[in-house]
Amino acid sequence: QKEVEQNSGPLSVPEGAIASLNCTYSDRGSQSFFWYRQYSGKSPELIMFIYSNGDKEDGRFTAQLNKASQYVSLLIRDSQPSDSATYLCAVNARWTSYDKVIFGPGTSLSVIP
Amino acid sequence: DGGITQSPKYLFRKEGQNVTLSCEQNLNHDAMYWYRQDPGQGLRLIYYSQIVNDFQKGDIAEGYSVSREKKESFPLTVTSAQKNPTAFYLCASSIQNPGLGSQYFGPGTRLTVL
Repeated sequence: QKEVEQNSGPLSVPEGAIASLNCTYSDRGSQSFFWYRQYSGKSPELIMFIYSNGDKEDGRFTAQLNKASQYVSLLIRDSQPSDSATYLCAVNARWTSYDKVIFGPGTSLSVIP
Repeated sequence: DGGITQSPKYLFRKEGQNVTLSCEQNLNHDAMYWYRQDPGQGLRLIYYSQIVNDFQKGDIAEGYSVSREKKESFPLTVTSAQKNPTAFYLCASSIQNPGLGSQYFGPGTRLTVL
């Protein structure tokens, strides 16, 4: 069973701090990695997509990928109360003749003003 | 505006009743997906379709059925065989094989069994 694991949280950080969200995955063949943000009662929104080892930055968000350790993380700099949400890590996995995306359970982030 | 629409937003089902959830996209995406989300859990794949008139069962297809007669539409029917259907249902689409591209989600339908 291919899996994606995340700490469920809640993770609490003060406003302006760096929030660090972590994700591990079991399928060594995974090539694409996604971070989604989901506000309570809403649908997931894609915020980052990474497929190469190393860092990818987009505004206050940085995704870090280490395929050897099967680890992907999301850093949120200068955290704002509006960043309070559940963050879902997702990873592609080979399945039948196509890939499918496996989602982790999500980490709840709370940014304290 | 391009996007994915789902209707209804809220749906109530009586025991033994079939209900159909609508999903429409105007993003010109080939692939479409249905997920179920339960409180505190990740998204679980119900069905997906890569092209018109073709679809594949996901991890939890029992008690559900789909059709893909048009590229833009991928309705999900929750049948009476699904014994615990209360959940948040999410439709998504992507350009192609999700390993190569990102999925975009509709606003969801919250289904409750009375």
